[in-house]
Amino acid sequence: GPKVLQIPSHQIIDMGQMVTLNCDPVSNHLYFYWYKQILGQQMEFLVNFYNGKVMEKSKLFKDQFSVERPDGSYFTLKIQPTALEDSAVYFCASSPTGGAPQDTQYFGPGTRLLVL
Amino acid sequence: GDQVEQSPSALSLHEGTGSALRCNFTTTMRAVQWFRKNSRGSLINLFYLASGTKENGRLKSAFDSKERYSTLHIRDAQLEDSGTYFCAAEATNTGKLTFGDGTVLTVKP
Repeated sequence: GPKVLQIPSHQIIDMGQMVTLNCDPVSNHLYFYWYKQILGQQMEFLVNFYNGKVMEKSKLFKDQFSVERPDGSYFTLKIQPTALEDSAVYFCASSPTGGAPQDTQYFGPGTRLLVL
Repeated sequence: GDQVEQSPSALSLHEGTGSALRCNFTTTMRAVQWFRKNSRGSLINLFYLASGTKENGRLKSAFDSKERYSTLHIRDAQLEDSGTYFCAAEATNTGKLTFGDGTVLTVKP
């Protein structure tokens, strides 16, 4: 089936540094998402992105977070500066459409971020 | 906020038997997806439903938006069905998914 790739699979970083998580969505998909899962907790929505813009973000999407997809390349999540509570697995997803009717979201394998 | 209550949290089945997982929603949802997390932690798509039922092999899912629930039925369980199953539902048309806590399924010989 369609595959979403995420790079890197693991990242260890010192608190206060910047990190960029990369997502290679399914080609021809138009809607992109980031979700966050802290160890032992539920997967939670962070943000969705369409046509170069953030469509919706949750309260977890702090001011230190930003997303972009320059020129159809990777869909990225940047955290600057990182904090200890940013340690989690970050999942990227993409879907062909985002408007009604909704369509299947395909998830990447996640990037495990550890902030020390 | 929107809540998704998934049950049971854990389920043990013998090979060849079946059971059902259920997600109840605290608000009206537009659609639901079911996933299985594989051994590498990747989410494998099982179903997407905006209404009614869908069947794929030994799996069948139903979604009733009005009654605020969705189910995933597994029949003739096999050892390779073991894993963690999640439902996730959309309340709005922005694609935001709210996940359940998951069901850990163990299939025994």
